[in-house]
Amino acid sequence: LAKTTQPISMDSYEGQEVNITCSHNNIATNDYITWYQQFPSQGPRFIIQGYKTKVTNEVASLFIPADRKSSTLSLPRVSLSDTAVYYCLVGDLNTGGFKTIFGAGTRLFVKA
Amino acid sequence: KAGVTQTPRYLIKTRGQQVTLSCSPISGHRSVSWYQQTPGQGLQFLFEYFSETQRNKGNFPGRFSGRQFSNSRSEMNVSTLELGDSALYLCASSARDRGRGGDFFGQGTRLTVV
Repeated sequence: LAKTTQPISMDSYEGQEVNITCSHNNIATNDYITWYQQFPSQGPRFIIQGYKTKVTNEVASLFIPADRKSSTLSLPRVSLSDTAVYYCLVGDLNTGGFKTIFGAGTRLFVKA
Repeated sequence: KAGVTQTPRYLIKTRGQQVTLSCSPISGHRSVSWYQQTPGQGLQFLFEYFSETQRNKGNFPGRFSGRQFSNSRSEMNVSTLELGDSALYLCASSARDRGRGGDFFGQGTRLTVV
């Protein structure tokens, strides 16, 4: 299972773009990258998932370079309600085993 | 469309007792996963069920067990409760096989062992 490394915490201000980078140097050929968001006392919420290049949805963008050894979650124009913990998971969707590793995540604080 | 429903939301048990938690996945979802979350250990995977079969298991003692029914509803059981079992227990279901498209989590069951 690919190990991931994320910053423990980040600060930002309302209206700014936030980029959270996740390192996964030993990512395997069949591995996908999945990001979740979690608010206190709630279950994580799926944000975005990708394999290579760029994926965009109504919430965020995911940038994955050609070597796939890292990925960047981009949150455009954050608001106070984006204050949460963000988790990066890497693994083979065919086995589902990547679900076993959530890690500590990145605590994002958005200030007014 | 209803989300993942976990019952009960809150539970207080005494050390040594056993507890059963329930999870109803989103309609049509066949994969159900269980997690334990504590301030000290973070989110830890317990097990995953798909079509009534356990296909992934985390590193928890045998006191933690689960099952899935034919309607995809799942239960997890913890026997001989210990103080350290106090945690938020989360259930998640998948829209597609093997986590493609992400999992949908419930609100969790807050278990307190006294």
